[in-house]
This record gives sequence, C-alpha cells and structure tokens, in this order.
Amino acid sequence: KAGVTQTPRYLIKTRGQQVTLSCSPISGHRSVSWYQQTPGQGLQFLFEYFSETQRNKGNFPGRFSGRQFSNSRSEMNVSTLELGDSALYLCASSLEGHPNTGELFFGEGSRLTVL
Amino acid sequence: DAKTTQPPSMDCAEGRAANLPCNHSTISGNEYVYWYRQIHSQGPQYIIHGLKNNETNEMASLIITEDRKSSTLILPHATLRDTAVYYCIVRANNAGNMLTFGGGTRLMVKP
Repeated sequence: KAGVTQTPRYLIKTRGQQVTLSCSPISGHRSVSWYQQTPGQGLQFLFEYFSETQRNKGNFPGRFSGRQFSNSRSEMNVSTLELGDSALYLCASSLEGHPNTGELFFGEGSRLTVL
Repeated sequence: DAKTTQPPSMDCAEGRAANLPCNHSTISGNEYVYWYRQIHSQGPQYIIHGLKNNETNEMASLIITEDRKSSTLILPHATLRDTAVYYCIVRANNAGNMLTFGGGTRLMVKP
C-alpha cells in the first residue's frame, strides 16, 4: 500500500510569491494534517482536515491556508512568502477509526526555500 | 496538551538496550503518551503509544510509571538504523491529529 505522497519534494520561491503544496494520503485515510519544521521552531502543527472540513488549526498567520478534497487529498497554500517560511512542510494522514488510535503516517515532506 | 521534557541527546552502544526517558508531570487522565521518531531528512515515524499500562510492539516497549508522570521508551537491541530524534508526546485521544512536538531526544547509536 502506497504511503503518504507529497509534491513537490523541493522548491525554491522568492519573497512575495505564493506556493501550493500537495498531499495524497494513504488510501482509505480520511484525516490529513500539516506540520512545519524549521531548525529554530522545530515541528509545529499547522492545520488538520477531516471530511473536507478544517478540524483544528495551529497558531499561524492567515497567509497559511489549506483545503481537502472529496478524495481526501489535501493542499496547503502560503501566500506572500517571507524568508521565515523556509521550512520542511510535512503532511500526515490517519484512519479515523473508533477509537482513534492516533497513529499518524507522515510523508517525506516538501522542502521550501524562500530567497 | 501537556508539556513533556526529554534529555536533548543520548548515546547508546549498538546491540545494547536504549532507554529514553520522558517526563510529563502535568499529564491529564485522558491523555495518552505517544512516541515518534524522525530519522534524518525523513518524516516522523510512529513507534508506540499507551495510557497507563506498559505496552510492547515489534519496535519497542513503553513503560509508564504508576502515577503516569513519566515514561521510558525502550529499544531492546539498538542498531545503527535507530539513530534518530525521538519525540515523546502526550495527547488526549479526542484531540484529533494535532500533535505538539517538543525538542525530542537525539539518540546516537554507536558501533
């Protein structure tokens, strides 16, 4: 069974541009969450989607947004890029069983560099 | 979610058991203890989780103290491939998939 797939793996943008990252969860997984990892702040939760609805949101500015499609695939967008947005963006998916075991499956990430 | 405290780094000899401690003294009754690890340049990988009983799977064992204020992850026979950053996380089981990662412990397994 294929794992969580994130595209693109690497990208370079300049300040002020916007970027869209894509995540395809494991087949059958309905929950997708996004994390940002930087050397200074570590791994930080961005947001979580379940059944096309945002369920939780981390403490990030409105420039960071996301959505989930009916096939559970998700995208996140960062507008008006800043140098500090350079990071590894990780997507994770999970089953939404009862009870929720809480096991997240992470992708390899999309490494964004902002120049 | 409750805050966790882990040593920033540890060394372990290959083939020996690696015991990684975690303090979570403010854990609530409905919060589970989860362990993930992140090998360099990869996404985090789930290892194990538990509520109050000790747990074991093919990767590791999790020992939770009776008062639940601390826990230990045990890798019984560490290999070089176990070199990674290990994160201890506490989370309520109804909290969705919002995990709060701390600094973790950087485990270096040495030959």
